[in-house]
Amino acid sequence: GIQVEQSPPDLILQEGANSTLRCNFSDSVNNLQWFHQNPWGQLINLFYIPSGTKQNGRLSATTVATERYSLLYISSSQTTDSGVYFCAVEEWGGSEKLVFGKGTKLTVNP
Amino acid sequence: ETGVTQSPTHLIKTRGQQVTLRCSSQSGHNTVSWYQQALGQGPQFIFQYYREEENGRGNFPPRFSGLQFPNYSSELNVNALELDDSALYLCASSLGPTSGYTGELFFGEGSRLTVL
Repeated sequence: GIQVEQSPPDLILQEGANSTLRCNFSDSVNNLQWFHQNPWGQLINLFYIPSGTKQNGRLSATTVATERYSLLYISSSQTTDSGVYFCAVEEWGGSEKLVFGKGTKLTVNP
Repeated sequence: ETGVTQSPTHLIKTRGQQVTLRCSSQSGHNTVSWYQQALGQGPQFIFQYYREEENGRGNFPPRFSGLQFPNYSSELNVNALELDDSALYLCASSLGPTSGYTGELFFGEGSRLTVL
């Protein structure tokens, strides 16, 4: 099955700093989503981005499907950005299940 | 528009017992998927339900079973609980294959199960 690798596994920032999280995947995908898992466990949708670039406030994401990677950019980080960020993909062919990476744990210090 | 809701939020069981977890899908969504997330790991797909039938299953034994009801809500049942079943169980809903399906999933807050 498809493999999803996220880097870095851990990231510690000072408030106001910018960061880039990376997601590599091993095969063609139908679907790619970025999630933020809050301290209570809920996965919050950030982006649905199988290809191209999207922006939402301080966050933006780019997926280059032909090169099998996606990037999540966080600018001017805030303490509330802390948590675990997951990339998840749906393998091409419509299996309709998401395969998740192991996540990047982000800590933003005041 | 209501989001995905799950119950209970926390529960403790002992080895060998059975558990039922419940999920109400987001308004307008007719497909429900269940995921298991062990501590420190990413969620893993258990199964998906569409039109009250199982529509895909991950690498989980038969003691993990589910149901979907006509109102699209769903249950996850786990029999003969084992210590390794301790995890966060997440439910996600989406539009079905004939309803403008894009693959985008929306998750609930999860049910945290501890097996002693």
